[in-house]
Amino acid sequence: AQKITQTQPGMFVQEKEAVTLDCTYDTSDPSYGLFWYKQPSSGEMIFLIYQGSYDQQNATEGRYSLNFQKARKSANLVISASQLGDSAMYFCAMRVNQAGTALIFGKGTTLSVSS
Amino acid sequence: DAGVIQSPRHEVTEMGQEVTLRCKPISGHDYLFWYRQTMMRGLELLIYFNNNVPIDDSGMPEDRFSAKMPNASFSTLKIQPSEPRDSAVYFCASSAYRDRDHEQYFGPGTRLTVT
Repeated sequence: AQKITQTQPGMFVQEKEAVTLDCTYDTSDPSYGLFWYKQPSSGEMIFLIYQGSYDQQNATEGRYSLNFQKARKSANLVISASQLGDSAMYFCAMRVNQAGTALIFGKGTTLSVSS
Repeated sequence: DAGVIQSPRHEVTEMGQEVTLRCKPISGHDYLFWYRQTMMRGLELLIYFNNNVPIDDSGMPEDRFSAKMPNASFSTLKIQPSEPRDSAVYFCASSAYRDRDHEQYFGPGTRLTVT
């Protein structure tokens, strides 16, 4: 069965520090994609970063990077130099098999950034 | 582009009433997804369409829920009759097969409250 696990219900970090949000996944399909979305208190879902299962390098998008460890089936999100505006819920998600299929979401991690 | 548009943004209705949620996907996108978010169950797929055709409706809770996509620019999710347990945020998302990442762009959501 396909599954996404986020074991950290909440994380706390100070401004300008780096933080890692954990995500592990389970699938037997060799072709899949991993996503991270941010949901601020206003409720919208904001796409952050994508990693394909065949990508050789870890994905990076500005202050966001994805630490992809295929053998461990982990896809942790690293946020460098945290900002107050990073306070939000973060969801890890997986798309399995052919393009266009739905995303399976983890339960999310609430990140709180303090000054 | 205006992004995914959903209406209404908020809906309060009484148990037993019919509720219709609307979604306009991003122009040119050929996939449309309906998700539901609750505290208990997190984000879960209800149904998705490819080129206006329903592909997977296994997440639709029961016969009270129905979804249609009469054309490439419009979809509805209908609940009839509504029940208090249907209270949730309903997201519509769209994606394009041509995009490498196949990332899904989410609408702002409709917050449904059934009393």
